[in-house]
Amino acid sequence: NAGVTQTPKFRILKIGQSMTLQCTQDMNHNYMYWYRQDPGMGLKLIYYSVGAGITDKGEVPNGYNVSRSTTEDFPLRLELAAPSQTSVYFCASSLPDRVGDSSPLHFGNGTRLTVT
Amino acid sequence: GQNIDQPTEMTATEGAIVQINCTYQTSGFNGLFWYQQHAGEAPTFLSYNVLDGLEEKGRFSSFLSRSKGYSYLLLKELQMKDSASYLCAVREVAGKGNLIFGKGTKLSVKP
Repeated sequence: NAGVTQTPKFRILKIGQSMTLQCTQDMNHNYMYWYRQDPGMGLKLIYYSVGAGITDKGEVPNGYNVSRSTTEDFPLRLELAAPSQTSVYFCASSLPDRVGDSSPLHFGNGTRLTVT
Repeated sequence: GQNIDQPTEMTATEGAIVQINCTYQTSGFNGLFWYQQHAGEAPTFLSYNVLDGLEEKGRFSSFLSRSKGYSYLLLKELQMKDSASYLCAVREVAGKGNLIFGKGTKLSVKP
């Protein structure tokens, strides 16, 4: 059982380039998320999805786009890379949560992105 | 607004007990989570509290007081492999799933 798989593991981009961070999960989780983690800062939510065809903005969505055409995949798109987007990006998935249920987030191993 | 506070760093000795505190102020509350994150790796789920009281899981325990907006993670019989960052996170709203994370506490365990 692979869990949440992210590709690539590392990437260096020049300012203005674009790329897609891939995320796929094989746990049949409806909910998926993209977080970024900067040194000394907590994980910040970029976008999330509660099911195929449904996406919503998180706390820091500017400069990013997502799509959710299948339950398994939740790619994150950077259109015009900027140095402020240098970060570690984590994709996560979970079962739908109900009041009192833990439904913890399961994280992928992250993509380390540098924009120069 | 949302605010989750935890100490930035802590140091403890192998075999000892350490308590990592977390205070939160959020607009809603549907559970508090603790995650462990080793350097360069993904966060992994440790514990969940939604009702007041203590949840015990082997060497790790987590406590919640909703009226005080307070939680702690207790690690007993510390081992070198427990050196990691410990993330406190709150789920504000049921049905969206996402968590709000604190900045994490970096724990160093020394021999």
